[in-house]
Formats: sequence, C-alpha cells, structure tokens
Amino acid sequence: DTEVTQTPKHLVMGMTNKKSLKCEQHMGHRAMYWYKQKAKKPPELMFVYSYEKLSINESVPSRFSPECPNSSLLNLHLHALQPEDSALYLCASSHNQGSNEKLFFGSGTQLSVL
Amino acid sequence: LAKTTQPISMDSYEGQEVNITCSHNNIATNDYITWYQQFPSQGPRFIIQGYKTKVTNEVASLFIPADRKSSTLSLPRVSLSDTAVYYCLVGDFGSARQLTFGSGTQLTVLP
Repeated sequence: DTEVTQTPKHLVMGMTNKKSLKCEQHMGHRAMYWYKQKAKKPPELMFVYSYEKLSINESVPSRFSPECPNSSLLNLHLHALQPEDSALYLCASSHNQGSNEKLFFGSGTQLSVL
Repeated sequence: LAKTTQPISMDSYEGQEVNITCSHNNIATNDYITWYQQFPSQGPRFIIQGYKTKVTNEVASLFIPADRKSSTLSLPRVSLSDTAVYYCLVGDFGSARQLTFGSGTQLTVLP
C-alpha cells in the first residue's frame, strides 16, 4: 500500500463552522505533512510531524489546528476560517524527516469557505 | 535559503525530449535536488532526486553539473499525459527548506 488517503475530497463550510480534514497512510512512515495550495500556485508548507510530534509550524494562524493521534493518522482541525482560506489542502508522508526521503502526497481536500 | 528559479511554462510535441532547467545558485553542501510532477486537482508525485552528476530512473533523468548551481530534468519522448506542472525543490531534508516548493514549470505537450 503506497497511498496517502485524504477525506473528505470536497468540503464546503461557513465561517462559523468547525470541521476536520483527515489523512491516513499505512506505509509505516514516521513523518507527515500538511500543505495548502491555492489555484495556480505551488503548495505551501503548513505543518510537519515527526514521530507524532509537531516539528515545524510555518507560522500558521491558530484557526488551523493539527493533530497526529498516531503514526498513521494526521488531522487538521478547522475553526472560524475566512474565505481566503479556500484552497486545496494536501497531506503528505515520508519514511522519516531526513535526507534522501521522498514525499508521498494524497489527492487533497478541496475546501471552500463561504 | 536555496531559492529555485524555473521557467514558468514550456511547450513541446509528443515524442520529443523535454529538458526543464532549475537554477539554485545558493545551494548548500548538504542540499539534495528533488523534482515532483503535479496534475490538476492531485497531489504532487515524486519523479527523481539527486545530489550530483547524473541520476536516471524509469521515467526521467536528472543532470547536475559540478558546481550544482543548476539542474536539468530530462523527460524522454513525452506524451500528452506528461502535461503537468513540474517543481524543483532544493534543500536539506532535515529542515523545512527541502519542503518548500518553487513556482514550478507548466509543461504542455501538444499533439
């Protein structure tokens, strides 16, 4: 199994809603990532987890809250988002956060904030 | 921070070889060079990674000159399905720099 699975594929939410994005991998990878991608722009790194601990937070607003319940799962909790947060949210994993590693990406969650 | 520069777009015809060059003048000694491919509404897909000289796999080759200030991704005999955005990433994977995508190159393969 070389897949990273993200759910849901599409999400529409209001600015007062609370929702969560989920990501799962069963490759035994110990590093997991959240990226945000706006249309026709490159992915922007948000968070990195290594061995279930947050190792990098790229100054992301607190309305985005990551969680890594175990080595296979990564969540992104969303609260009080703004319309400009509408984007494709990508999850990725790698064996470790180290040299010679390659990222495996999911297909993303297309988020629309109304 | 090894910033990367790539052409914004390139056009090619089916069956041709395509070379996409990435400039990374400030590459550090420990930095690797990695290329990803992305189709619309999908996550990027790893293509190839190298440190120096030449690396080849089943889908592409990566050429890195001795000074490592640039690299060239070579796609042999492209097809319509190779139309995608190609990203060059440079950095020590132990830091966030390896995880920072540049602007990418939109490759369009024409029939």
